[in-house]
Amino acid sequence: DQQVKQNSPSLSVQEGRISILNCDYTNSMFDYFLWYKKYPAEGPTFLISISSIKDKNEDGRFTVFLNKSAKHLSLHIVPSQPGDSAVYFCASSARGGADGLTFGKGTHLIIQP
Amino acid sequence: KAGVTQTPRYLIKTRGQQVTLSCSPISGHRSVSWYQQTPGQGLQFLFEYFSETQRNKGNFPGRFSGRQFSNSRSEMNVSTLELGDSALYLCASSLFQGSDTEAFFGQGTRLTVV
Repeated sequence: DQQVKQNSPSLSVQEGRISILNCDYTNSMFDYFLWYKKYPAEGPTFLISISSIKDKNEDGRFTVFLNKSAKHLSLHIVPSQPGDSAVYFCASSARGGADGLTFGKGTHLIIQP
Repeated sequence: KAGVTQTPRYLIKTRGQQVTLSCSPISGHRSVSWYQQTPGQGLQFLFEYFSETQRNKGNFPGRFSGRQFSNSRSEMNVSTLELGDSALYLCASSLFQGSDTEAFFGQGTRLTVV
């Protein structure tokens, strides 16, 4: 049973517009959430994270929103740039990471010129 | 600062054989975690080592094992390989134990079992 779900396998956005990537989770014990970006033939790269005590975290063009009641988080990228084209993974952890990170299956973001 | 280094990058093995993968974490990082990535299951947590001890383990059979050395380098071993073990194996290093901190990933080892 998938505990972290990214329901959109792919997303196409025009350059300069906002990209919104969504993630849902089922485990109420998750208390830390991260987004990773992955280019082909490379390992995932950490982007941004948020603790369950917050509902928003911002870092430059990237903002993560957490809605605990809905068990939903989203990553906003504004403005979207061609270099943002990659696969984005949502990940969650619980109990200080005792069970490692639980990843979603990823969303392939394509930024169109 | 050098990143996480995994060797080899690619590996082809036959069913029934065993394989050892290596991971050198970022200098100063003491935690090393291993993940398996397959198209069907995505990224799945294998185990975490910290200070030469396995701290956490995912839901994988005992054929998957690992160890960590005093310099924090880690190895992962898979015995009696099965076709389904074909995957990208990723290593991640962190300063501290546990996953509620940034983990930095290596490029992975692509294992193909034939």
